[in-house]
Amino acid sequence: KQEVTQIPAALSVPEGENLVLNCSFTDSAIYNLQWFRQDPGKGLTSLLLIQSSQREQTSGRLNASLDKSSGRSTLYIAASQPGDSATYLCALSAPGGSNYKLTFGKGTLLTVNP
Amino acid sequence: ETGVTQSPTHLIKTRGQQVTLRCSSQSGHNTVSWYQQALGQGPQFIFQYYREEENGRGNFPPRFSGLQFPNYSSELNVNALELDDSALYLCACGGGPPREQYFGPGTRLTVT
Repeated sequence: KQEVTQIPAALSVPEGENLVLNCSFTDSAIYNLQWFRQDPGKGLTSLLLIQSSQREQTSGRLNASLDKSSGRSTLYIAASQPGDSATYLCALSAPGGSNYKLTFGKGTLLTVNP
Repeated sequence: ETGVTQSPTHLIKTRGQQVTLRCSSQSGHNTVSWYQQALGQGPQFIFQYYREEENGRGNFPPRFSGLQFPNYSSELNVNALELDDSALYLCACGGGPPREQYFGPGTRLTVT
């Protein structure tokens, strides 16, 4: 059974700082990994998707990496801004047919202080 | 915007009642999944529908059921509501490789 852990559970940083969020998983047999952002009481916004054959993906100030052998992914946020404050979730899907089930971590609550 | 909509936004029900939540996708994704998210937790997979058939289920009892329609919209039905069913319910739509999933804004269900 796939288990996903996100560390830290909460993080508070001053504006402008670069930061790294961590995601670890127990089963390296994955199809893809997605990082999501969730604002309080809202739905999930997809930030980056890394397929199992890829090592990293970049979008603007965000960079996500994937190391299946060690069961880890990181989300790097450069030059953080107060608008980045949200909960960040990583989720994995398993290989096989039309299996779209995502297994989520509990998330990291990020606060960027002006 | 993900192009996925859910209704209603909020709902208050009494224990023992039944509820129907709805989800639709502008892009006609052929797979829809439903998730339950309790406060402070990550979303938990309820089930997914592919081409109108249930195609995978999480650890939820049979009183959680669903439908997917030919236009790819979907319903989540919950019977005999319990207090622990209070949560944010999210639907996610997707289709084809690389199986990226797009989430709706969620329905906040409160059971009293």
